[in-house]
Amino acid sequence: DAGVTQSPTHLIKTRGQHVTLRCSPISGHKSVSWYQQVLGQGPQFIFQYYEKEERGRGNFPDRFSARQFPNYSSELNVNALLLGDSALYLCASSRSGTETQYFGPGTRLLVL
Amino acid sequence: EDQVTQSPEALRLQEGESSSLNCSYTVSGLRGLFWYRQDPGKGPEFLFTLYSAGEEKEKERLKATLTKKESFLHITAPKPEDSATYLCAVQARRDDKIIFGKGTRLHILP
Repeated sequence: DAGVTQSPTHLIKTRGQHVTLRCSPISGHKSVSWYQQVLGQGPQFIFQYYEKEERGRGNFPDRFSARQFPNYSSELNVNALLLGDSALYLCASSRSGTETQYFGPGTRLLVL
Repeated sequence: EDQVTQSPEALRLQEGESSSLNCSYTVSGLRGLFWYRQDPGKGPEFLFTLYSAGEEKEKERLKATLTKKESFLHITAPKPEDSATYLCAVQARRDDKIIFGKGTRLHILP
């Protein structure tokens, strides 16, 4: 079975631009979570979605938003990009959100 | 405040030299504690989930244990391919949010 997939793998943007990251969960998984990981740190929780509803939100500004589609895939949107948004963005899926999460390969975002 | 602290930050071992990584945590109602392995530039790879104090799980050269305040990841006779960052995370019953530690960078010298 395919694991969690994310696209694109790498992305370069300039300050003030907008970015959309995409994630497809493992087949049968209904929950998707998004994390931001900066170099040398552990992943930091951004959002969790289950059955298309937001179940949790981390301490991130309103420039960050997400949604989950009927096929359980998800998008993370970031507006008005800042240099500090440069990071590895990770998507993880689980069956219900209360179980073990499995991570995708991540999207490396560089903001210049 | 829920918190996860991992130690040491970095560890260099000779091939075959066994050791343990520590994960100390404070959480209001633990739903689960997770160990992941992460290679540079890649997503974390799931290793273990532990749910209650006293629980142990093993996989090849790795063994994870859990108490009410901390978890250990024991590495027995490590090989160079075990070199990676090992991440510990906890999930709280209150809101199911997962909090990660900063990780331990492990380097196994041949």
